[in-house]
Amino acid sequence: GENVEQHPSTLSVQEGDSAVIKCTYSDSASNYFPWYKQELGKRPQLIIDIRSNVGEKKDQRIAVTLNKTAKHFSLHITETQPEDSAVYFCAASKGYSTLTFGKGTMLLVSP
Amino acid sequence: EAGVAQSPRYKIIEKRQSVAFWCNPISGHATLYWYQQILGQGPKLLIQFQNNGVVDDSQLPKDRFSAERLKGVDSTLKIQPAKLEDSAVYLCASSPGLAGQETQYFGPGTRLLVL
Repeated sequence: GENVEQHPSTLSVQEGDSAVIKCTYSDSASNYFPWYKQELGKRPQLIIDIRSNVGEKKDQRIAVTLNKTAKHFSLHITETQPEDSAVYFCAASKGYSTLTFGKGTMLLVSP
Repeated sequence: EAGVAQSPRYKIIEKRQSVAFWCNPISGHATLYWYQQILGQGPKLLIQFQNNGVVDDSQLPKDRFSAERLKGVDSTLKIQPAKLEDSAVYLCASSPGLAGQETQYFGPGTRLLVL
């Protein structure tokens, strides 16, 4: 089955800096890659997703890039703010199969 | 629209006891998921329903876990008997149509502690 590795497990940045979280996947047939944000004690929420027919997608301060050849995808957050502090999960799936999640990255943004 | 509802929010039981969790998905959503999230890890799918049929239960420990989705709406997840390693947050999620390629909307979760 699919295996998703996520790095780093913890990331500390200063407010205004950029943050990058990287994920690799094992199944070359995977074609859907969402990112979920989970604030402390709250439910995971989708923040952005990308499909394998595009290499990059951007939504305001958040962007995701996909390298199908290397089987990795990354989340980029620019101009970080304290409210960006949360655990971020990447995931992958193919066809109608279910999502396989990474272990998560705890992002801490210091004022 | 109302989100995914779950109850109870917290549950503390002793090992070998039984426990049940309830989930009410977003109205009209065909697909319902149950995930187990152990502290420090990502959600792991336990079972997925499309309407009232099981699509994937390959990671459900069937000797102790069971789930049903009657009439294709609400769902219950049961653990009997519970083990210490079942301590986790149990998340229910739903999506409008087919699995895997849609936004999943998560409930607040049920935090289970097995002593």
